[in-house]
Amino acid sequence: DAMVIQNPRYQVTQFGKPVTLSCSQTLNHNVMYWYQQKSSQAPKLLFHYYDKDFNNEADTPDNFQSRRPNTSFCFLDIRSPGLGDAAMYLCATSRGPWETQYFGPGTRLLVL
Amino acid sequence: AQSVSQHNHHVILSEAASLELGCNYSYGGTVNLFWYVQYPGQHLQLLLKYFSGDPLVKGIKGFEAEFIKSKFSFNLRKPSVQWSDTAEYFCAAQPPEYGNKLVFGAGTILRVKS
Repeated sequence: DAMVIQNPRYQVTQFGKPVTLSCSQTLNHNVMYWYQQKSSQAPKLLFHYYDKDFNNEADTPDNFQSRRPNTSFCFLDIRSPGLGDAAMYLCATSRGPWETQYFGPGTRLLVL
Repeated sequence: AQSVSQHNHHVILSEAASLELGCNYSYGGTVNLFWYVQYPGQHLQLLLKYFSGDPLVKGIKGFEAEFIKSKFSFNLRKPSVQWSDTAEYFCAAQPPEYGNKLVFGAGTILRVKS
């Protein structure tokens, strides 16, 4: 089945230790998104790629970076995680802009 | 501030009761609207969407939503809920001035008692 896959499902890191979260898709969608969802809050868009074009949200901290080496994969890098970065990180894809977004299962990040 | 508002954070219903979850948005112009559902331990899934056309939208699992432009509303309904509808429901808007961005409401946690 075509899908959005996120690995790992759970990630524990230490304060200040860089961490990378992974997302892959078999939908061949052009757009990939990263959202942050803190407990009891709505998902909040961090950035997205439209093909190779990177679009950062204005309020996304510099600590958060992303890479998209090819159509199928997108990575979220957190350079120096703080306690406040503990959250569920959701990857989504859409065929094009303005189209329905399909979400992966998320990676829950715990920062110790 | 422009936003998506969901009226209730927690709703508890008995099985077979009717459901209506409120959603209002504050963006002008043509706005794509969505309802997503997140079952316990699972990922966000699309329930239904409205882009244009018939303002009454049918989704999966017997859900429907009505777009009322004059009220900036997109309420979700189901005539008779089941225990398996226990989940968190998110309304989301995709306003044109925000590009591809989905702006989510805070979510409504629905618990259906059997």
